[in-house]
Amino acid sequence: TQLLEQSPQFLSIQEGENLTVYCNSSSVFSSLQWYRQEPGEGPVLLVTVVTGGEVKKLKRLTFQFGDARKDSSLHITAAQPGDTGLYLCAGAAGMEDSGNTPLVFGKGTRLSVIA
Amino acid sequence: NAGVTQTPKFRVLKTGQSMTLLCAQDMNHEYMYWYRQDPGMGLRLIHYSVGEGTTAKGEVPDGYNVSRLKKQNFLLGLESAAPSQTSVYFCASTLAGGPYEQYFGPGTRLTVT
Repeated sequence: TQLLEQSPQFLSIQEGENLTVYCNSSSVFSSLQWYRQEPGEGPVLLVTVVTGGEVKKLKRLTFQFGDARKDSSLHITAAQPGDTGLYLCAGAAGMEDSGNTPLVFGKGTRLSVIA
Repeated sequence: NAGVTQTPKFRVLKTGQSMTLLCAQDMNHEYMYWYRQDPGMGLRLIHYSVGEGTTAKGEVPDGYNVSRLKKQNFLLGLESAAPSQTSVYFCASTLAGGPYEQYFGPGTRLTVT
């Protein structure tokens, strides 16, 4: 069974601080996605990383896929209250799979940015 | 495009009652999923479908049934609701062929008393 471990589980920081959230597994994934979920809403896709070592930037958010495609990180620079939410990572099965295997979701990191 | 819609948004059931949650998507996606989300448990997959007329069990299928009679719709049924099924339910859809980026609905908050 493939598992994705996210850390930390909870994070409370002051506005303007930097933070990094981690998503780790012992399994290889063909791609990895990051979602953000706000209270009372469904998760919304932020980014997909596909290539080992890939780095993608979305304004103040930087996403990195590990070289071995087993882990990923999300770094937020100068966090703002609008970044508050639940951040979820999700992995698609390795290349050898048929492609019908559903995504594996981490349990999420709940971020609170205090003004 | 409305994306993924779910009805109803809220529902309160008594133990033993039945209900059906409806998910509809207008993006012509082949794959559809039903998840439940509980505090500290993350998103757990209940059932999924890779095409019209086909369904498969996920991580927590017991007590639920599903049907995919039309490509755009995916129904989740509770035959005899139990308090343990109190949760927020999310439907999602994605294109076949990867990288399987999922589009989620707004959720249904279900309370079973």
